[in-house]
Amino acid sequence: GENVEQHPSTLSVQEGDSAVIKCTYSDSASNYFPWYKQELGKGPQLIIDIRSNVGEKKDQRIAVTLNKTAKHFSLHITETQPEDSAVYFCAAKGPGSGGSNYKLTFGKGTLLTVNP
Amino acid sequence: GAVVSQHPSWVICKSGTSVKIECRSLDFQATTMFWYRQFPKQSLMLMATSNEGSKATYEQGVEKDKFLINHASLTLSTLTVTSAHPEDSSFYICSASTGGGWTDTQYFGPGTRLTVL
Repeated sequence: GENVEQHPSTLSVQEGDSAVIKCTYSDSASNYFPWYKQELGKGPQLIIDIRSNVGEKKDQRIAVTLNKTAKHFSLHITETQPEDSAVYFCAAKGPGSGGSNYKLTFGKGTLLTVNP
Repeated sequence: GAVVSQHPSWVICKSGTSVKIECRSLDFQATTMFWYRQFPKQSLMLMATSNEGSKATYEQGVEKDKFLINHASLTLSTLTVTSAHPEDSSFYICSASTGGGWTDTQYFGPGTRLTVL
């Protein structure tokens, strides 16, 4: 099955700096890669996603890049703000097991802290 | 974006009792719903996938007789934790998909914190 590795596990930056989180995946059949932001005690919130037919996508301060050949994708946050502090999860969607059509596999998460 | 709600947001129960958690897609029809479990400081682990009107598909290691899933309509799925024990205490999160394809977006609910005494 799919395996998603995420680095770093923790990231501390100064307000205004950029933050980069990287993920690799193992299954070349995966073709959908979302990023979620999770605040303490809340459910994950989709912040950006990318499908395998594009290499980069941007939404204001957030961008995601995808390299299908190398099987890695990255989240870039520019001009970070204290409210960006949260746990960020990358995920990859590919063939499921046990009869499910597809399955979203998550990385272990990155705790981002933006210091004022 | 699409909104998914869960109820209750937290529940405390005694060991041996059953607890039902509801998941609703508020502004879209969810062909497929997913249930995840998340332990403190860990990632989300998929428990099961359910398609409306069909039996749920459980991930390896998840007891289907303990975690009963019903997806009776395109906007509602329920997870019942039967005969709950302290080790079942966790954060349960549902997710709903806007379509049935591989690249369809999944939206997550706010989660339900279950504490079993």
